[in-house]
Amino acid sequence: GQSLEQPSEVTAVEGAIVQINCTYQTSGFYGLSWYQQHDGGAPTFLSYNGLDGLEETGRFSSFLSRSDSYGYLLLQELQMKDSASYFCAVPNSGGYQKVTFGTGTKLQVIP
Amino acid sequence: EPEVTQTPSHQVTQMGQEVILRCVPISNHLYFYWYRQILGQKVEFLVSFYNNEISEKSEIFDDQFSVERPDGSNFTLKIRSTKLEDSAMYFCASNNRGEEQFFGPGTRLTVL
Repeated sequence: GQSLEQPSEVTAVEGAIVQINCTYQTSGFYGLSWYQQHDGGAPTFLSYNGLDGLEETGRFSSFLSRSDSYGYLLLQELQMKDSASYFCAVPNSGGYQKVTFGTGTKLQVIP
Repeated sequence: EPEVTQTPSHQVTQMGQEVILRCVPISNHLYFYWYRQILGQKVEFLVSFYNNEISEKSEIFDDQFSVERPDGSNFTLKIRSTKLEDSAMYFCASNNRGEEQFFGPGTRLTVL
């Protein structure tokens, strides 16, 4: 089966940088995705890493190390609107037909 | 920008009753999904659907659940006999293969 572990909560100051970690155990590995979910809202896709290394999309970057079964999401220049839950997720096959989500990290940005 | 829509936004039902949750995926998408999220917990995969049949399902998706694409636009999730533990937010998602899935706003199901 698949399991993904994340810290449950992180607090960071507006304007700062925060890193949200994800460690995974999977029976096969096809990449790591990140989703953002505001309270009461739907998950929204942020990024995907299929290969080792860093992917950058604006203020958000995501990193993957397949040898360490580890990835992280890096949020820079934090804004109050970044307060949300962040989930890492892995597909169970190359067809992405079944996706397992991590336990989720609730990020609180404070002034 | 096209988006996934879901109705109703909130459904309240009595234990043992049948409910149907409705979704309209993005029009040119071919892959459809249902997820659920119990309050405060992670998003859990239920089922994926492609080419008019289930392609994957989780252990949660037992005989009480079924999905259907009754026409060219709707995608439904039916729970035959609801239990208290079915209370959750149910999300529909769609895509055209690949890692990015587009989620609808969800239906909050409350079973009394």
